[in-house]
Amino acid sequence: AQSVTQLDSQVPVFEEAPVELRCNYSSSVSVYLFWYVQYPNQGLQLLLKYLSGSTLVKGINGFEAEFNKSQTSFHLRKPSVHISDTAEYVCAVTAYNQGGKLIFGQGTELSVKP
Amino acid sequence: SAVISQKPSRDICQRGTSLTIQCQVDSQVTMMFWYRQQPGQSLTLIATANQGSEATYESGFVIDKFPISRPNLTFSTLTVSNMSPEDSSIYLCSVSTRLEQFFGPGTRLTVL
Repeated sequence: AQSVTQLDSQVPVFEEAPVELRCNYSSSVSVYLFWYVQYPNQGLQLLLKYLSGSTLVKGINGFEAEFNKSQTSFHLRKPSVHISDTAEYVCAVTAYNQGGKLIFGQGTELSVKP
Repeated sequence: SAVISQKPSRDICQRGTSLTIQCQVDSQVTMMFWYRQQPGQSLTLIATANQGSEATYESGFVIDKFPISRPNLTFSTLTVSNMSPEDSSIYLCSVSTRLEQFFGPGTRLTVL
């Protein structure tokens, strides 16, 4: 079975500051990793995904994440955030043999202040 | 990609009643998933619904409480039966295509 832990429930940052949202997972088999974003009053939207290949994955809106197998982490980063990045960010994992069934983390609320 | 719609978008129900949530996809998909997000908690998978077979339920969820129908490749329903206030949640359906999962807008259910 897989599990996902997002260590920070809330992350407040100032506009134009860098941000890192942490995600750790556990699994006994190979996994695929995802970050989703949910803006206020909107549905979940895929931000980026790691399936294979390069461990540094770039997504929409300037976000990127790095898959670290030894540390079982998939942290999300952005070098300079905007007010419009204020949203809930959710990390998710699925194993290669799970047919797409996702296990989600608890989510991190990113709040960008002017 | 896949575009998913859900009905109703929100509802307020009385204890002991049932609500059926509909999920419509704009393309044919094999696997559909139903999730629940209780206040302050992560998304939790309720069941996987494949067309032509019975849904597969996750630990802690049973068919009598959450019956699911999957009559064709573009549609599914989830019923929340004999509701209690603990069932107050957002219910989401999703589909998986090529390892990317798309989500509906959700149904916000409040049980009084």
